[in-house]
Amino acid sequence: ETGVTQTPRHLVMGMTNKKSLKCEQHLGHNAMYWYKQSAKKPLELMFVYNFKEQTENNSVPSRFSPECPNSSHLFLHLHTLQPEDSALYLCASSLGLTSYEQYFGPGTRLTVT
Amino acid sequence: GQQLNQSPQSMFIQEGEDVSMNCTSSSIFNTWLWYKQDPGEGPVLLIALYKAGELTSNGRLTAQFGITRKDSFLNISASIPSDVGIYFCAGQLMSGAGSYQLTFGKGTKLSVIP
Repeated sequence: ETGVTQTPRHLVMGMTNKKSLKCEQHLGHNAMYWYKQSAKKPLELMFVYNFKEQTENNSVPSRFSPECPNSSHLFLHLHTLQPEDSALYLCASSLGLTSYEQYFGPGTRLTVT
Repeated sequence: GQQLNQSPQSMFIQEGEDVSMNCTSSSIFNTWLWYKQDPGEGPVLLIALYKAGELTSNGRLTAQFGITRKDSFLNISASIPSDVGIYFCAGQLMSGAGSYQLTFGKGTKLSVIP
């Protein structure tokens, strides 16, 4: 138990569906991150939020839309995804941007059909 | 972007043996982190290193921050079956754009034969 929870753990969606991934951290951290993990590739940073403000968007397609209503919650809204978007989506948090110890949630295994 | 070369990619060892893996880069890093990921779970932080030459232990795990600041090593002593998983290194660059972000290696998959 790392103090970071993610729901759902598994998601299967069609290319025309709209769904959302949720992340919640109980660590009192101020920075939150979305990563994509695909087989045989390093973790890819997607978005960074610090005190609810987005500080980084690593050229992520607009079919992925993040939302951070407060420092404890992070969402990833998905619409019109492609099969190549199938991956494990990991949420992480850290005390702040300059605190490099990031704590990860268990991930959401996403399959796009 | 910056790359971390993590090796070996995979290893099969006998229970009780010691394990060694490493990460190298052409860039200088300020921080090195080692994570372990079990199947179906997220990475769990094992050890964090902040100073060149630093040697830090966590139970049977020992990690070192290389003197050149371009590499790091993780050793596991007397391996047991629950050591099975994928081990990732991650580094935080010394400077440059996005230097507060972590760069991850591709992982070392460890299998332990009972």
